[in-house]
Amino acid sequence: ETGVTQTPRHLVMGMTNKKSLKCEQHLGHNAMYWYKQSAKKPLELMFVYNFKEQTENNSVPSRFSPECPNSSHLFLHLHTLQPEDSALYLCASSQAGGRETQYFGPGTRLLVL
Amino acid sequence: GENVEQHPSTLSVQEGDSAVIKCTYSDSASNYFPWYKQELGKGPQLIIDIRSNVGEKKDQRIAVTLNKTAKHFSLHITETQPEDSAVYFCAASKKSNSGYALNFGKGTSLLVTP
Repeated sequence: ETGVTQTPRHLVMGMTNKKSLKCEQHLGHNAMYWYKQSAKKPLELMFVYNFKEQTENNSVPSRFSPECPNSSHLFLHLHTLQPEDSALYLCASSQAGGRETQYFGPGTRLLVL
Repeated sequence: GENVEQHPSTLSVQEGDSAVIKCTYSDSASNYFPWYKQELGKGPQLIIDIRSNVGEKKDQRIAVTLNKTAKHFSLHITETQPEDSAVYFCAASKKSNSGYALNFGKGTSLLVTP
């Protein structure tokens, strides 16, 4: 395992539900990322946090709301999603300040009905 | 922004043969090129990476080559084994205000048949 854990591993939700995805890293890193992985498309970067501060929002719809309470934890709050939001959501972490290697968690497989 | 093209999208080889996956990138400022392997039900795992000041890097059966002039880089797997079967992603990145943003290719599904 890479030292990055994600829960839940699978999630089914209706379009009116509110749910949260959780990511935790045990690597002492200071940067954390959310990616979306859809079939037949490249991994899409959603959000970047450096030292708990959001440094990048890649034009993500407001129905996705990230939260980073500390350098080890990252959440993605989901609200009124659409069926096209069904995908694998991956969390990654890396050292901040120039260390590029990103380590990924196993992902949360999300299905929006 | 950066555009990373990856070919082929699927690749089938017999056990023991070599496999080559190629990627091109558009931004000449990109200077870091990792390769990830993703097995079913798992997240991508880094297998090898190369920086722009190096032309080739090897790690046992895996090697990566980089041609900065042509803006392309390749993954070479020799003596393939069934456990090499997975989806492989290339990526290119450069330093930005938010750190190093990885731009991924669409992936290559490699199947190694016994």
